[in-house]
Amino acid sequence: QKEVEQNSGPLSVPEGAIASLNCTYSDRGSQSFFWYRQYSGKSPELIMFIYSNGDKEDGRFTAQLNKASQYVSLLIRDSQPSDSATYLCAVKEVYGNEKLTFGTGTRLTIIP
Amino acid sequence: EAQVTQNPRYLITVTGKKLTVTCSQNMNHEYMSWYRQDPGLGLRQIYYSMNVEVTDKGDVPEGYKVSRKEKRNFPLILESPSPNQTSLYFCASSPRGAAQPQHFGDGTRLSIL
Repeated sequence: QKEVEQNSGPLSVPEGAIASLNCTYSDRGSQSFFWYRQYSGKSPELIMFIYSNGDKEDGRFTAQLNKASQYVSLLIRDSQPSDSATYLCAVKEVYGNEKLTFGTGTRLTIIP
Repeated sequence: EAQVTQNPRYLITVTGKKLTVTCSQNMNHEYMSWYRQDPGLGLRQIYYSMNVEVTDKGDVPEGYKVSRKEKRNFPLILESPSPNQTSLYFCASSPRGAAQPQHFGDGTRLSIL
C-alpha cells in the first residue's frame, strides 16, 4: 500500500514566523499533491495544490515539490493564530488509479 | 452556492441495523468519494466513483457499499454496521478525478453501539 507520511506534531511556531510542514510519499509515480487545512470538528479545505517540481506561491502559502526526493512541503509565512489547525497532505498515485491517499496530518499551533 | 451535502450529520445506531448516509453535490462533478477519519489514522478512502455507474474500491472498502445512479448523488451504505465502523465520514467531489482538488461535505459522525 502506498504511503504518505507526515510528522503528527504538534508543531508550535511563534506568531509572525514561518511554519514549515513536510510530507514524504512512497510512490515515485505520484502525480498530484495537495495540502488541506482542517480545523477541529470541521471538514478539510484546500490550501494549495502542486503538480510540477519547484515552488508554487499563493499569498502567505508556498508549496514546494521535489519528486526526486519524494517530498512535498508547505511553508506558511507571517503565521497567524488563525493558521492553527491540522494540515493534511494528500497524494494521487499513478495513471489509471483514481485513489487519493492522505497523510495523518500535522497539528500546527501558532503561539501569539 | 456550490456545496457537498451529507445527511445525517450525526447518527447513533446499533450493530446490524442497516443505514445509509447520503451525499449530494450541486457542481456537476464527475468524481465523488467517501472517506473515514479516525484518530491517528487520518483520512482513508473507502470508495470512489468516476461517473454514473462507475465505482471502485479505495483503501478500506470492507463493510461498505456505494451506488452512483445519478451524477449528483453518491450514498454510502452500511448493510450490517459494526462498532469498528464508528467514525467520522466525509464525502467529497471534484470535477474530473483525484488529480483535482476535492470539495468536502461537512461530515457525518456515526456511532455504532
